[in-house]
Amino acid sequence: NAGVMQNPRHLVRRRGQEARLRCSPVKGHSHVYWYRQLPEEGLKFMVYLQKENIIDESGMPKERFSAEFPKEGPSILRIQQVVRGDSAAYFCASSPEPDRGSTDTQYFGPGTRLTVL
Amino acid sequence: DQQVKQNSPSLSVQEGRISILNCDYTNSMFDYFLWYKKYPAEGPTFLISISSIKDKNEDGRFTVFLNKSAKHLSLHIVPSQPGDSAVYFCAASAGTYKYIFGTGTRLKVLA
Repeated sequence: NAGVMQNPRHLVRRRGQEARLRCSPVKGHSHVYWYRQLPEEGLKFMVYLQKENIIDESGMPKERFSAEFPKEGPSILRIQQVVRGDSAAYFCASSPEPDRGSTDTQYFGPGTRLTVL
Repeated sequence: DQQVKQNSPSLSVQEGRISILNCDYTNSMFDYFLWYKKYPAEGPTFLISISSIKDKNEDGRFTVFLNKSAKHLSLHIVPSQPGDSAVYFCAASAGTYKYIFGTGTRLKVLA
């Protein structure tokens, strides 16, 4: 999958715990996107980040969810006080610097499957 | 509000024959379309894309056709191979990074 790394691949949490999902983009890519896939559904956009900036978090629930992409290190998607409905596959994608107004192909990682007991 | 629809949840095709996967969309502002292939327990893999200024794009065994007036695109795989068995997602964007995905079509190529 074009070098996007995600870990862990599988994560089990009990209700009320925190989940931290990590994503390392393709080397040289400075744009990261997080998507969520619920069972039997397509991927749904959550958030778009550049280094140290959240560009668009319109697809992310306003409570309990947060994302960051620090200057050094991977992007992190954090879910606090998880509930059963958070169980899903979370995919990270990355792209190089797009031209203004253009769309660049996003390359996806293998995903993290979160199960909330 | 499903802006990108893949109405066939599954499709079976004999090896060597053509596979045709369909995708319909409702948003006339979409100008970039992509197909991704996904194996179980893996992330989507980019397959082929098409800009709205074109009506066809070909890459080896894969061809994507775009009919803007019908708001319809299709992916043709010929000849189909057993290794093509996967879930195929259609995605679209309106000049931005925000991809809208369909729900996928599971293709099974029978040997």
